[in-house]
Amino acid sequence: SQKIEQNSEALNIQEGKTATLTCNYTNYSPAYLQWYRQDPGRGPVFLLLIRENEKEKRKERLKVTFDTTLKQSLFHITASQPADSATYLCASSGGYNKLIFGAGTRLAVHP
Amino acid sequence: GAVVSQHPSRVICKSGTSVKIECRSLDFQATTMFWYRQFPKQSLMLMATSNEGSKATYEQGVEKDKFLINHASLTLSTLTVTSAHPEDSSFYICSARDSFGPSNQPQHFGDGTRLSIL
Repeated sequence: SQKIEQNSEALNIQEGKTATLTCNYTNYSPAYLQWYRQDPGRGPVFLLLIRENEKEKRKERLKVTFDTTLKQSLFHITASQPADSATYLCASSGGYNKLIFGAGTRLAVHP
Repeated sequence: GAVVSQHPSRVICKSGTSVKIECRSLDFQATTMFWYRQFPKQSLMLMATSNEGSKATYEQGVEKDKFLINHASLTLSTLTVTSAHPEDSSFYICSARDSFGPSNQPQHFGDGTRLSIL
């Protein structure tokens, strides 16, 4: 069955460093991957979408890559700030506009 | 930008009560909306796909008689948790995408409803 995995349940980094989060998928080839941010008690907020024919996408301090050979997407936050602390969710297309979500990675950026 | 409004944000009620949650797309139209459930420190689990003007499609293991979905217009879907019990306590979130915009549009999420059944 289609599966999305985010390897790290939690990631702690120092302010100013680059945070790198990983998302791997198995048993299918999604047409696109999406990354969301979720704060406690709130709904996910869309950040970036990357299509299978795109290798990299950027938005301000965010960068997403999509490697169809490795079946992996990397999500980078450069010059991280404490305000970036949140749970980051990877999601892929599951057909019929459905999204399949990974378990999420809780990022904590320490001053 | 695209906004999805979900109401109420918090419900606390007695066991046996039925609870209705509304999900509205404010500046776009959606022929489908999605309802998720999220337990603490876990990811979103898709419960059902709400289809405008027709029956909802439920994921395996989700009781359609327990979770009634109605999608009466292109901007409103409702989820009713019937005869709720403590095990139904959870965080319920809806999402929608612009059905009439470019393809591969992202989903936009409501802010969720925290349901607590006593």
